[in-house]
Amino acid sequence: EAGVAQSPRYKIIEKRQSVAFWCNPISGHATLYWYQQILGQGPKLLIQFQNNGVVDDSQLPKDRFSAERLKGVDSTLKIQPAKLEDSAVYLCASSLDPRGGTDTQYFGPGTRLTVL
Amino acid sequence: AQSVSQHNHHVILSEAASLELGCNYSYGGTVNLFWYVQYPGQHLQLLLKYFSGDPLVKGIKGFEAEFIKSKFSFNLRKPSVQWSDTAEYFCAVTLSGGYNKLIFGAGTRLAVHP
Repeated sequence: EAGVAQSPRYKIIEKRQSVAFWCNPISGHATLYWYQQILGQGPKLLIQFQNNGVVDDSQLPKDRFSAERLKGVDSTLKIQPAKLEDSAVYLCASSLDPRGGTDTQYFGPGTRLTVL
Repeated sequence: AQSVSQHNHHVILSEAASLELGCNYSYGGTVNLFWYVQYPGQHLQLLLKYFSGDPLVKGIKGFEAEFIKSKFSFNLRKPSVQWSDTAEYFCAVTLSGGYNKLIFGAGTRLAVHP
C-alpha cells in the first residue's frame, strides 16, 4: 500500500515570503493531520480534517497559516507571510477513523522548511 | 493542558544492553498511549499502542511498554538492543473518546554502538 506523500521535501525561503506544502494521504483514509515539528521538540498538531471538514485547528496560527482539503483527499498547508520561527519540519499524517482516539496515524516524510 | 514528558533526551548504549525509556503524561482522565519511532532517514512509524486490557503491551521488533496508571507512566523497554534500534523515540497520548489528537513528548534519541 502506498504511504502518505508530501512535497516538496525541502524548502528555503526568506522571511515574509509565502510557501505552500502539499499532502496526499493513504487512499481511503478519511482523516488528515498537519503537524509542525520544531527542532528538539515533538510534533505539534496544527490542524485535523475529517473528510472536508475541520475537526481541530486550535493550534493553527490563523493570522498566517491556512489549510484546505479539497474533495476530502489532498491537502495544502500555506504560510503567508513566513517568520523565522516557522522554520520546522511539517508532517502530514492520515488515519482511517479518529473516533475514540485509538486509530493509528501514518506519517509522511515531512517537508523541512528553513526561513532565512 | 495535557502534556507528555520524556525523561531522557539522549541515550547511548552498547549492543545487547537493556533499554528503558521513560514517559509520563499529565491528564486526569482516560488516555490512549503510543510509542512512535523514527529511524534515520525514515518516516515516523508506530511501535506500539495501548488503549485497554493488559497493561503490558508488545510491539514490533521486540519492544514492549507497560502502562502504570497510578504513576501516569508508559515506559518503553527492550531487553537487548541492536545497532538497528538507533532512532528517535516519541511517546504520545490521545484522549479516550476524543478525536485522535496526538500530544507528543519531546523525543529521546537513542544511539546504539556495536
